[in-house]
Amino acid sequence: AQSVSQHNHHVILSEAASLELGCNYSYGGTVNLFWYVQYPGQHLQLLLKYFSGDPLVKGIKGFEAEFLKSKFSFNLRKPSVQWSDTAEYFCAGAAGNMLTFGGGTRLMVKP
Amino acid sequence: DTAVSQTPKYLVTQMGNDKSIKCEQNLGHDTMYWYKQDSKKFLKIMFSYNNKELIINETVPNRFSPKSPDKAHLNLHINSLELGDSAVYFCASSLLRGSAETQYFGPGTRLLVL
Repeated sequence: AQSVSQHNHHVILSEAASLELGCNYSYGGTVNLFWYVQYPGQHLQLLLKYFSGDPLVKGIKGFEAEFLKSKFSFNLRKPSVQWSDTAEYFCAGAAGNMLTFGGGTRLMVKP
Repeated sequence: DTAVSQTPKYLVTQMGNDKSIKCEQNLGHDTMYWYKQDSKKFLKIMFSYNNKELIINETVPNRFSPKSPDKAHLNLHINSLELGDSAVYFCASSLLRGSAETQYFGPGTRLLVL
């Protein structure tokens, strides 16, 4: 069965700290991977996605993620977070027509 | 211009009632989805339609019935509402069906069943 897991449920950082949010997937074949962000009270927005090619993917707002097939991981990174990055972050994997989300990581950035 | 819109934004109702949530996308996409986000923020696919045809129907009580009058609209009707139906329901759309497609989400409908 397809599954996506995010190990960090809550992360608290100070501004300018570096961020890495973990995401692991379990899929039998080809998988496409996404990171979505949900700012407080808003809808989900795409940060970045991977479906082939360079395993290091750059997204919006300075985020990047690296697809590591050997570790079944697609971790999200940002070198220096800002207060405005406070949000819920969702990793998702897609196979066929189904998008399966991880449980989300709530990031709070302290000013 | 709102790409994916949902109405209503908030819905408070009594147990046992029947209610509908509407979704419209003006992106010209072929595929639309309904997701349920529970109180722990866990997001799960419920249904997906491609060009008015149902292509995903996850394990959802048959009190939930989606309807797609045309490819720009996907409505969700819920009969005999229960307390456990309280959640945020998100509509989404993608240009085509397929795993590489980016899904664009609506603002969500916050349903509270009393």
